Amino acid sequence: KQEVTQIPAALSVPEGENLVLNCSFTDSAIYNLQWFRQDPGKGLTSLLLIQSSQREQTSGRLNASLDKSSGRSTLYIAASQPGDSATYLCAVRTKTSYDKVIFGPGTSLSVIP
Amino acid sequence: EAGVAQSPRYKIIEKRQSVAFWCNPISGHATLYWYQQILGQGPKLLIQFQNNGVVDDSQLPKDRFSAERLKGVDSTLKIQPAKLEDSAVYLCASSYVVGYQETQYFGPGTRLLVL
Repeated sequence: KQEVTQIPAALSVPEGENLVLNCSFTDSAIYNLQWFRQDPGKGLTSLLLIQSSQREQTSGRLNASLDKSSGRSTLYIAASQPGDSATYLCAVRTKTSYDKVIFGPGTSLSVIP
Repeated sequence: EAGVAQSPRYKIIEKRQSVAFWCNPISGHATLYWYQQILGQGPKLLIQFQNNGVVDDSQLPKDRFSAERLKGVDSTLKIQPAKLEDSAVYLCASSYVVGYQETQYFGPGTRLLVL
């Protein structure tokens, strides 16, 4: 059974710092891994999607990497800003029945001005 | 384009009462999902529709939860009767596929509190 974990559960950093969020999954049989952002009281917004054959994806100040064999992904945020404060969730699409999407519990990020 | 619409945004009910949530997906999106997100956890898939057919409802507590998507467009999720542990945010998402890549779009969610 696929399980997705995220470390740390919460993170507080001063503005301008570079930071790394971690995601781990137990079953490497995945189609892709996706990072989402969730603002309080709102739905999820997709940030980056990495196909299982890819190693990383970049969008602006965000860079996500995937090491499928070790079951790990990282989301790197450069030069953090207060507007980056949100919960970040990773999700894997599994190569199991129904190609189910399994979410991690999220990392709550606070960027202090 | 208009996003995924959900209503109501908030609902407070007593345990053993019934409640229904509504979702209108993005026009043209064939796949629709209902997720349950308990505070501090990631979303958990309850049911997935492809047009008006059910693809996956393996994690739907069928003794109290039901969902339908009669015309392959909007969908309703019902809980009858509600329990305290049903307090959560219920997220609806719709998606389209281009090649091998599926992109999900989420609605704002309905926050349910069961007292």
